[in-house]
Amino acid sequence: AQTVTQSQPEMSVQEAETVTLSCTYDTSENNYYLFWYKQPPSRQMILVIRQEAYKQQNATENRFSVNFQKAAKSFSLKISDSQLGDTAMYFCAFMKRDSNYQLIWGAGTKLIIKP
Amino acid sequence: SQTIHQWPATLVQPVGSPLSLECTVEGTSNPNLYWYRQAAGRGLQLLFYSVGIGQISSEVPQNLSASRPQDRQFILSSKKLLLSDSGFYLCAWARVPDTQYFGPGTRLTVL
Repeated sequence: AQTVTQSQPEMSVQEAETVTLSCTYDTSENNYYLFWYKQPPSRQMILVIRQEAYKQQNATENRFSVNFQKAAKSFSLKISDSQLGDTAMYFCAFMKRDSNYQLIWGAGTKLIIKP
Repeated sequence: SQTIHQWPATLVQPVGSPLSLECTVEGTSNPNLYWYRQAAGRGLQLLFYSVGIGQISSEVPQNLSASRPQDRQFILSSKKLLLSDSGFYLCAWARVPDTQYFGPGTRLTVL
């Protein structure tokens, strides 16, 4: 069975700093997707970034980028020039391709951006 | 563009009362639909998913049920609520077999 581990329950950084959230996963599959979702205080789950396992190039979305290390089964999220609006819970998630489309979720990391 | 709606946004119900939460998606057809529950400070637990009208798969045995009466409508129900049903309920949709997009959620408190 697949598992997703986020080892940092909580992190805090100053505004404008760069922060990296870690995520590791365990799977024997070769074809899968990885996601980072953000959940602000409103609690709506918002997609941050998506990575397809067969793509070696790391995904980027504006200030958000990932470091995808397939052999190490690591999928960290880097937030550059952090902003107050980045304060949220961040969840890492795994989806096996051709499964019943289930997401396997990590426990989340609470990120606080301080002014 | 696609939009997902959930209502109500907040609900307070007594133990033993029935429940009906609704989720609708606009701007796409034949989406996969999902119901999740999230306890405070915890991750998401998948409750049900549906790949088509009338097709419901249950992931967690409990006193909840789901139905999909129309292509873009997904309903979560219970005949008798338990205290343990309290939580934040999220609906999501996906185009096969990819990224899930979430609705704004319903906060349910069972007293």
